[in-house]
Amino acid sequence: GENVEQHPSTLSVQEGDSAVIKCTYSDSASNYFPWYKQELGKRPQLIIDIRSNVGEKKDQRIAVTLNKTAKHFSLHITETQPEDSAVYFCAPVSGGSYIPTFGRGTSLIVHP
Amino acid sequence: GAGVSQTPSNKVTEKGKYVELRCDPISGHTALYWYRQSLGQGPEFLIYFQGTGAADDSGLPNDRFFAVRPEGSVSTLKIQRTERGDSAVYLCASSLSSAQETQYFGPGTRLLVL
Repeated sequence: GENVEQHPSTLSVQEGDSAVIKCTYSDSASNYFPWYKQELGKRPQLIIDIRSNVGEKKDQRIAVTLNKTAKHFSLHITETQPEDSAVYFCAPVSGGSYIPTFGRGTSLIVHP
Repeated sequence: GAGVSQTPSNKVTEKGKYVELRCDPISGHTALYWYRQSLGQGPEFLIYFQGTGAADDSGLPNDRFFAVRPEGSVSTLKIQRTERGDSAVYLCASSLSSAQETQYFGPGTRLLVL
């Protein structure tokens, strides 16, 4: 099955700084790459996704970059705000199985 | 419109008992997923329905776990002879046709087995 790793496991930044979270995966058939945000006690919510035919996608302060050759994709958050504090999960989906494999999560803490 | 709903929100049971967890997906979504999330972990895939049929149940940990979706909308996850290790948050998600589109998660059912 798919092996997914996220780094770092914890990320602490000052408000206004940028944050980058990296996700590596093993299944070369993966072709859909979403990032989810989960606040404490809440449900995961999709914040951005990218497909295998695109290298980068941006939505306001959030961007995702994909390197299919190296099998990793990254979440970039600029001008971080305290409300960005949450756990972020990557969950690549294999085109063969349609099953997402979630990483273990990255806890982002944004200090005011 | 209404999002994905799950009932009950919390369930406390005793070891060995039977429990049923319900998921109401977004109307018109044919794909429905069940996940289990333990503290400090990411959601772990259990089973995927496409319409009424289980397209992939490879994530069910053993034969005590079973899920149905008889009319292609509401789904029920059933756990027999519960064990303390089954304690977790059980999440349901639906999407228009597959997990390669936006998945909308329910609030989860927090199951505690004493």
